Order: sequence, then structure tokens, then C-alpha cells
Amino acid sequence: ETGVTQSPTHLIKTRGQQVTLRCSSQSGHNTVSWYQQALGQGPQFIFQYYREEENGRGNFPPRFSGLQFPNYSSELNVNALELDDSALYLCASSPMGLAGVEEQYFGPGTRLTVT
Amino acid sequence: DQQVKQNSPSLSVQEGRISILNCDYTNSMFDYFLWYKKYPAEGPTFLISISSIKDKNEDGRFTVFLNKSAKHLSLHIVPSQPGDSAVYFCAASVTGANNLFFGTGTRLTVIP
Repeated sequence: ETGVTQSPTHLIKTRGQQVTLRCSSQSGHNTVSWYQQALGQGPQFIFQYYREEENGRGNFPPRFSGLQFPNYSSELNVNALELDDSALYLCASSPMGLAGVEEQYFGPGTRLTVT
Repeated sequence: DQQVKQNSPSLSVQEGRISILNCDYTNSMFDYFLWYKKYPAEGPTFLISISSIKDKNEDGRFTVFLNKSAKHLSLHIVPSQPGDSAVYFCAASVTGANNLFFGTGTRLTVIP
């Protein structure tokens, strides 16, 4: 059974650019959540995708957007990057929609640095 | 607005002793609480959880205590082992919601 994978591992972008982060969910999981973990902070919920639709969103501006594909993999897109977007971006997958938050399995994250 | 707080950034404990990690929350709507452990270069992994209808949940060496009136929970690890050295995150949620609110984490170091 393959766990949650994320790519790339590290990324450096310039302020104002756009970035796409990718996540492959664990086998059998149809729900993907994205979190932002700034340095010294805990992860903060960005949004969740269930069956290719956004299913809940945290306090993040619209320049943070996402997609989920028929194979349940997901992308996080961030437009007009700001310096404060520098963070570890975590993807978590879970089975069968709202099965319980403890069912969320996290990937290793993508470290984004905005200069 | 940090709804889940872990006021101790770090904790060092001797191997074999008890580790106690603390967490406070402000939102009285939270009814489910979790602890996650995170090693470097890995995502958080679920450790143990507790529902608000309980005040204690045990799983092997790990016990979580919940004090609803104080809006406080704690994770006890007994006995502590060097492999327990990691960052521990407390998280909370509302039943039916799909997101977790995390604390800022406590780095536990177990000294052999």
C-alpha cells in the first residue's frame, strides 16, 4: 500500500510568481486536505477536496486554489506569491469523505520558499 | 487567533521517566481532540485521540487526559523512550467538520 506522496520536495519561487504543488493520495482514499505550516507554527487548514469538489475552506484568500482529479490526486495552486507564503505545505488523504479526522494520513510536505 | 495552544515549545525528559505534554484550547465547540507526532522530513502521524464525552483514553504507553471545564488536555508518555523524540502537535475538531485546528507543537527530547 502506497502512502501519501507529494511533489516537489522543495521549491524556490519569486514574489509574484505562481506555483503548483502536487499530492497523490493513499490507495483507497477519496478525500484530500491541504494544510500550510509556517515556521514555528502548527499546520493550518487551507481546504479539502472530496470527489473533485471543494468541501470546506479555511481562512485563506482566493489566490489559493485547488483541484482534485478522478484518480483522487490533487493540486494546490497559489497565485501572486507573497513572502509570507513561505511554508511547508502538507497534504493529507482520508477514506470515504468525512470518516473522521483521525483518518487523515499526511504526506511529507513540500517546502516552499518565496524570495 | 490561535484556538489551540501549546505553551511549551520544548521538553526534555530522561529515558524511562514520564513525559507530559500540555495543550489548551479556547473554542468550546471543539469536541474531538487528537495528538500527532512528527519526525523531521515526515508528515504528522496520528498518535491518539479523545472524544469530549470521555476524560481519559489510553493506548499502550500513551494516555490522553481531557479537562473540559479547564479547556485543557495533556498527553502522558510512560515510560519515555529515545524513539519518542519528535515534535508533538495537539489538534482539535468539531464533529462533522472536516478540518483540524493544530497547536504550535512541542519538541520532545528523550535523553538516553
